[in-house]
Amino acid sequence: EDQVTQSPEALRLQEGESSSLNCSYTVSGLRGLFWYRQDPGKGPEFLFTLYSAGEEKEKERLKATLTKKESFLHITAPKPEDSATYLCAVQPSNTGKLIFGQGTTLQVKP
Amino acid sequence: NAGVTQTPKFQVLKTGQSMTLQCAQDMNHNSMYWYRQDPGMGLRLIYYSASEGTTDKGEVPNGYNVSRLNKREFSLRLESAAPSQTSVYFCASSDSDRASPLHFGNGTRLTVT
Repeated sequence: EDQVTQSPEALRLQEGESSSLNCSYTVSGLRGLFWYRQDPGKGPEFLFTLYSAGEEKEKERLKATLTKKESFLHITAPKPEDSATYLCAVQPSNTGKLIFGQGTTLQVKP
Repeated sequence: NAGVTQTPKFQVLKTGQSMTLQCAQDMNHNSMYWYRQDPGMGLRLIYYSASEGTTDKGEVPNGYNVSRLNKREFSLRLESAAPSQTSVYFCASSDSDRASPLHFGNGTRLTVT
């Protein structure tokens, strides 16, 4: 069964304290892995797409990496405005449907 | 650039009432989706439309119907609302259903009493 698990569920960091969020997946063939950011009361906002193991994408303080079993979202020197829920989703190669993880809620304190 | 627009933003229904959630996108995307988001359950796919004229069931389709009215619009209908359908509903669109990122609206918060 295709499955996505994110950890931790919640993460509290001090401003400037770097860390990583994990997305483990089990899928019968990966077409793509997606990272989204969701602010309270808003819809998810697209961050990155990763297609194959070894691929990396960066945007400001965020860097996403991909292996055959998991993806990491690295946050370098986070700021309070990085506080949000981060969602991971995978698209199996045999379907157009995305499977979402339950998200990691990040709080960055000044 | 509006992106994906959902109406209404909030709705309260009594058990057994019906309603239609509206969604429109202005990005000329081919594929459109309806998700629901519940605490502890994440985003779950209700229905999706890979292209105009086609629809397919997702993970939790029971109690819902959809209509792909044209390329821009994809509506979700609750024929007889139940308290279990209390949720936040998100519409999304993508250029295709093949590894294209989804673009989401800001949701409809539905409460069924």
